[in-house]
Amino acid sequence: AQKITQTQPGMFVQEKEAVTLDCTYDTSDPSYGLFWYKQPSSGEMIFLIYQGSYDQQNATEGRYSLNFQKARKSANLVISASQLGDSAMYFCAMDYGQNFVFGPGTRLSVLP
Amino acid sequence: DAMVIQNPRYQVTQFGKPVTLSCSQTLNHNVMYWYQQKSSQAPKLLFHYYDKDFNNEADTPDNFQSRRPNTSFCFLDIRSPGLGDAAMYLCATSTPAEGDGNQPQHFGDGTRLSIL
Repeated sequence: AQKITQTQPGMFVQEKEAVTLDCTYDTSDPSYGLFWYKQPSSGEMIFLIYQGSYDQQNATEGRYSLNFQKARKSANLVISASQLGDSAMYFCAMDYGQNFVFGPGTRLSVLP
Repeated sequence: DAMVIQNPRYQVTQFGKPVTLSCSQTLNHNVMYWYQQKSSQAPKLLFHYYDKDFNNEADTPDNFQSRRPNTSFCFLDIRSPGLGDAAMYLCATSTPAEGDGNQPQHFGDGTRLSIL
């Protein structure tokens, strides 16, 4: 069965510093997609970045980049130059076929 | 802007009183999903529609039903809400990707359901 692991229940980072949120996954499917979502305290789920299993390059979107290591089955999210507004829950998710599975999430707190 | 809209944002119902949550989309996506998310937990998929085809997760209680009368609308019906059904309910949409790609799910803002 497909599974996502996020080993950091909570993380703290100083404003303007970079932070890495860990994500490992388990699947036997050769084709899958990996996504990161941000969920502020208001509850909406905001799509941040996507990495396809066949993509050769690591995905980047503004301050977000994905450190994809396929052999190790990891897809860590790197946030550069953290801002106070980055404080939120972050979920790693995997798409296989029509289904999504979410990791348990990491709560990021950015300190002024 | 194209989007996923959930109404209402907050819903209060009484124990055992049926309640319906609604979701609409202007993205014209084939697939619509309903998730239940309890406090400090990941969203849990309840079911999804691929066009008119309904796909129920094995562990979704019978108390939860869904309807999709057309491409744009999808409803979540809770027939007899219990205290354990208090949660945030998220609707999402996606569309099949071309080739080997994948598409993200686009989420609504959610409906927070409280049970009295």
